[in-house]
Amino acid sequence: AQSVTQLDSHVSVSEGTPVLLRCNYSSSYSPSLFWYVQHPNKGLQLLLKYTSAATLVKGINGFEAEFKKSETSFHLTKPSAHMSDAAEYFCVVSVPAGTDKLIFGTGTRLQVFP
Amino acid sequence: GAVVSQHPSWVICKSGTSVKIECRSLDFQATTMFWYRQFPKQSLMLMATSNEGSKATYEQGVEKDKFLINHASLTLSTLTVTSAHPEDSSFYICSARQGLEKLFFGSGTQLSVL
Repeated sequence: AQSVTQLDSHVSVSEGTPVLLRCNYSSSYSPSLFWYVQHPNKGLQLLLKYTSAATLVKGINGFEAEFKKSETSFHLTKPSAHMSDAAEYFCVVSVPAGTDKLIFGTGTRLQVFP
Repeated sequence: GAVVSQHPSWVICKSGTSVKIECRSLDFQATTMFWYRQFPKQSLMLMATSNEGSKATYEQGVEKDKFLINHASLTLSTLTVTSAHPEDSSFYICSARQGLEKLFFGSGTQLSVL
């Protein structure tokens, strides 16, 4: 069965420090992996996606994620957090790759302190 | 970018009443829309896939008579929770597909059934 595990329900960082949001997946197929962000009272917005091309994926707002098959991980990183990054982040897998059936992680709430 | 409008953003209703949630794609036509449900501290779970002009496809375990989905036009899908009960209280979110790959999410509806 396919699944996604977000290892941290909450992450707190200071503005200007690096961000790391962890995600592990389980899949019998080659997955497509996504990170979505949800700001309060807004819809989910796609940050980036991996679809079997380059393993290091660059997204919007300075975020990037690296697909590591050996570790079954797809961690989201950003070198320097900004106050506007405070939001809920979801790691998502679609399997078989490219289909519409999305499996969501439970989300990680990122807090950014001044 | 494309916008999906979901209305209402929150609703409180009495047990036994029905509640309708609307999902509109504002600047594109969406032949396929999706409805998700999220319980506190849990993942978003796909409830059903809504196709314009045809019956919705429900995921296993989702009661089609309780969660009525109507996709009457290329820009509107509705989810009606019939005879709502407190256990139906949840966060409901829709998404709409633009073209073959792009998915856009609504901002969600928090339903509370008293």
